[in-house]
Amino acid sequence: AQSVSQHNHHVILSEAASLELGCNYSYGGTVNLFWYVQYPGQHLQLLLKYFSGDPLVKGIKGFEAEFIKSKFSFNLRKPSVQWSDTAEYFCAVNSNFGNEKLTFGTGTRLTIIP
Amino acid sequence: KAGVTQTPRYLIKTRGQQVTLSCSPISGHRSVSWYQQTPGQGLQFLFEYFSETQRNKGNFPGRFSGRQFSNSRSEMNVSTLELGDSALYLCASSLASGTTDTQYFGPGTRLTVL
Repeated sequence: AQSVSQHNHHVILSEAASLELGCNYSYGGTVNLFWYVQYPGQHLQLLLKYFSGDPLVKGIKGFEAEFIKSKFSFNLRKPSVQWSDTAEYFCAVNSNFGNEKLTFGTGTRLTIIP
Repeated sequence: KAGVTQTPRYLIKTRGQQVTLSCSPISGHRSVSWYQQTPGQGLQFLFEYFSETQRNKGNFPGRFSGRQFSNSRSEMNVSTLELGDSALYLCASSLASGTTDTQYFGPGTRLTVL
């Protein structure tokens, strides 16, 4: 069975700091990887996704993530965070073969201090 | 294009009752998935429907059921409610053209069981 681990439960940063949120998955086959964000009071929305090709993917709002197959990781990064990045971030995975069921990590709450 | 809509947005029920939640996907989307979000368990997959057929099911008891109509709208039903069913129930829709599809999430229905 697939599983996703997000080891950082709550991260607090000052504005302009660099961000890296960890995501590791467990699955023996080929996977698609996603980062979703949930801003306070808003819907879950997709930040970025990886399914093939360049392991460094760029998403909305200056976020990027790098897929490292050997480490089963898909860490999310942003060079300089803003107060508006305060949100909960979820890493998710689904199998490249079969159905679209997403397995989510437990989420990382990011608080940016102005 | 309108997003995924869910009704009602908030529900309060008592133990033993049953509840029906509704989801209208983005126009043209044929797949609808349901997820349960709780502080303790995070986001967990309930089931997915495509062309009025359940394609995949998560590890939830039979009290949780769903269906999809010919216009892709979906409902989920929870019978004999328990306190632990209190959660945010999220619906997501996608084109269902493959596992790399983006799932677009609705605002959720907040269910409180007293």
